[in-house]
Amino acid sequence: QQQVKQSPQSLIVQKGGISIINCAYENTAFDYFPWYQQFPGKGPALLIAIRPDVSEKKEGRFTISFNKSAKQFSLHIMDSQPGDSATYFCAAGRTGGGNKLTFGTGTQLKVEL
Amino acid sequence: DADVTQTPRNRITKTGKRIMLECSQTKGHDRMYWYRQDPGLGLRLIYYSFDVKDINKGEISDGYSVSRQAQAKFSLSLESAIPNQTALYFCATSQPGTDTDTQYFGPGTRLTVL
Repeated sequence: QQQVKQSPQSLIVQKGGISIINCAYENTAFDYFPWYQQFPGKGPALLIAIRPDVSEKKEGRFTISFNKSAKQFSLHIMDSQPGDSATYFCAAGRTGGGNKLTFGTGTQLKVEL
Repeated sequence: DADVTQTPRNRITKTGKRIMLECSQTKGHDRMYWYRQDPGLGLRLIYYSFDVKDINKGEISDGYSVSRQAQAKFSLSLESAIPNQTALYFCATSQPGTDTDTQYFGPGTRLTVL
């Protein structure tokens, strides 16, 4: 049962371009939506997270956009750099749910020079 | 030193063998988790533990067992390994009340079952 659907599976972007990764969720009880970044040979690490009381959160070149009515959220990477090449996972969790997260299937991003 | 460590980092074993993957953390977190990562399937929760006496099944617990030996240690066992348990395994920790929902992952164990 796929509760968090992520797309695309892979993405190639030119340096300086905008990378966009989308996620959709089904469970309306979810109220915490993080994005994790994973480099080869490493474990995932929290990149940025949003709660549904806001529609957008920005941290440097990374922005989460959140659409509660559509049950969708997305990660935008502005001015993408080769160092951003990694696998990105969206996730969803529920406050009071014991920090349990349901992860998307991941997007492998490659930023080319 | 890494806050969350996993041993071994790589393991090749044969079908039917018992395998134990170990996780240790120095973050002082109460909550620990085991995930497996498969290409195209993302991260799936195997087991999680809220404290030493509280262990819960995740979405794919069949074929696995865990032991929380102490606050800092959480082990995952495959009683009789099978090839479709070949995957990348991650341990993670979190602590309610601080960085409330952030999970901190170890570097992973790559397990191959022949």
